[in-house]
Amino acid sequence: DVKVTQSSRYLVKRTGEKVFLECVQDMDHENMFWYRQDPGLGLRLIYFSYDVKMKEKGDIPEGYSVSREKKERFSLILESASTNQTSMYLCASSLPGQGGSTQYFGPGTRLTVL
Amino acid sequence: QQQVKQSPQSLIVQKGGISIINCAYENTAFDYFPWYQQFPGKGPALLIAIRPDVSEKKEGRFTISFNKSAKQFSLHIMDSQPGDSATYFCAAWGGSNYKLTFGKGTLLTVNP
Repeated sequence: DVKVTQSSRYLVKRTGEKVFLECVQDMDHENMFWYRQDPGLGLRLIYFSYDVKMKEKGDIPEGYSVSREKKERFSLILESASTNQTSMYLCASSLPGQGGSTQYFGPGTRLTVL
Repeated sequence: QQQVKQSPQSLIVQKGGISIINCAYENTAFDYFPWYQQFPGKGPALLIAIRPDVSEKKEGRFTISFNKSAKQFSLHIMDSQPGDSATYFCAAWGGSNYKLTFGKGTLLTVNP
């Protein structure tokens, strides 16, 4: 079974702090994704990566950056956390090409910014 | 621009009833339409999916109906059970796009 793990299930940070959310997948997937999930807004793509050191902006990249130094690990960085970044963050991975049509999600990190 | 529109936003069904969730898409390049199921505290997981060359796909109590000309597809849950209570997302994927385009989700509650 594909396993996608996220470093924290719950996280509480202060406004202005630098926040790192880590995601690791164990299936050698090329593609990795970061989403945020908010009530009524569904899943919104923040960034994705289709190879090591490659990244592309999703629909809502403002206020976020990412890092992918190793194939299995994809990090989401909030340079200066703000209260409007309080949300559920979901990481996902997939195979390339046609295999990319199925994404495997981690359990999510619920981030609260005070 | 919302490329996949999902309705309703929430749905309450009695045990044994039929749950129906609808989605509509705009981009004719989409060629794969999955549904994801998300239980509280979990990430979404693939439930069932369909390609546009068929009009219906059934897996147990879950059926996808697909209308290519109308650019619409729907999820039917027959004999709905309290254990089906979850958030359901439709999605669309196509061509060389690495990304799934998700609908906004439907919170389904099945009352015992």
